Amino acid sequence: DAKTTQPPSMDCAEGRAANLPCNHSTISGNEYVYWYRQIHSQGPQYIIHGLKNNETNEMASLIITEDRKSSTLILPHATLRDTAVYYCIVRPSGGGADGLTFGKGTHLIIQP
Amino acid sequence: KAGVTQTPRYLIKTRGQQVTLSCSPISGHRSVSWYQQTPGQGLQFLFEYFSETQRNKGNFPGRFSGRQFSNSRSEMNVSTLELGDSALYLCASTRGSSTDTQYFGPGTRLTVL
Repeated sequence: DAKTTQPPSMDCAEGRAANLPCNHSTISGNEYVYWYRQIHSQGPQYIIHGLKNNETNEMASLIITEDRKSSTLILPHATLRDTAVYYCIVRPSGGGADGLTFGKGTHLIIQP
Repeated sequence: KAGVTQTPRYLIKTRGQQVTLSCSPISGHRSVSWYQQTPGQGLQFLFEYFSETQRNKGNFPGRFSGRQFSNSRSEMNVSTLELGDSALYLCASTRGSSTDTQYFGPGTRLTVL
């Protein structure tokens, strides 16, 4: 897997937009950027993925830079339930033959 | 559409015992992957099943095994449990291609005493 770099932790006020950065400078042309999150001791939850265009769904928006070396996950109106560890990974669409590998991720803490 | 389900959610076993965990994928999904997650090692891939056949395998000893049934439900078995097997065991399902988006279940928390 191409490696990703994320800040270990971030705080965000409830109701504000949470912007989570991810660096993936060695990403290959056929690799997607995926975001998952994991609330303590629960299974990882898929959030969004993209190749080179910005993507938006009901949960979040994904902004990928033009050179594809970094991306930002945006939670537009963070709530306390968004407190979780957020993982950014780069893979061929979905996973590949040897499964997903998560790094340390970013522990996002939403403050009331 | 119902998500991935795993049973049981919690298990306590003693060293030397064996355990069987169950996973029901999202309806219509034909591939099931199993992972072990620990604080020290993070998420580690165990194996993937598709159409009742093991398609991919991670780097775990033979004590870890699995199978998939014709309805795509999957089980994994760990024999001769060791203390280090204590972990959150996760399964994830996809429609079929190993490159599809993986959707995870809630996990089974296994504690080995």
